[in-house]
Amino acid sequence: QKEVEQNSGPLSVPEGAIASLNCTYSDRGSQSFFWYRQYSGKSPELIMFIYSNGDKEDGRFTAQLNKASQYVSLLIRDSQPSDSATYLCASWGTGKLIFGQGTTLQVKP
Amino acid sequence: DTGVSQNPRHKITKRGQNVTFRCDPISEHNRLYWYRQTLGQGPEFLTYFQNEAQLEKSRLLSDRFSAERPKGSFSTLEIQRTEQGDSAMYLCASSSGTGGNQPQHFGDGTRLSIL
Repeated sequence: QKEVEQNSGPLSVPEGAIASLNCTYSDRGSQSFFWYRQYSGKSPELIMFIYSNGDKEDGRFTAQLNKASQYVSLLIRDSQPSDSATYLCASWGTGKLIFGQGTTLQVKP
Repeated sequence: DTGVSQNPRHKITKRGQNVTFRCDPISEHNRLYWYRQTLGQGPEFLTYFQNEAQLEKSRLLSDRFSAERPKGSFSTLEIQRTEQGDSAMYLCASSSGTGGNQPQHFGDGTRLSIL
């Protein structure tokens, strides 16, 4: 079992819709969770981080954390074609950041 | 804040050669991390430093890999006797603080191609 799991996709949504990206993790000791966006051929760019159960909102992005279910999600409202990228979920545990394989999002005009 | 800087951006070398990459972190960041990323995968942790101390090293890292951060500022990652499987993007990231809850910011990476 991978420590951080994501569906590789692609997830396809129409422009203006809500994109929902999901991630599960296996280490119950993980305390911090991060979402990065990565365009093809580029390096990961931090979008959001969340430490506590519940929701955290930043503009069009909302991160959700449920530690009991070991589940993290990222919602993107009013999706734009420029949001098309790979979204990486990561958890901090046991002294290092563990990444999932990423979910590819395609926003169609 | 000039961001994390990595050099070179691209490196092409023959199998068996040694290569060295450099990373300059964000100036006020005391933690520096190295990752490797192959196509279709998320970044894979290699090692990290807090100031000049190397605190964690992946068990996946063979003895051919070594990293240094001699003065707690820039870091170098050396790969000796390169192999085909070393072809990847090598990413450096930095963060502030001493805990794992501080966001890491990535450089543009060094893409290594082994001929």
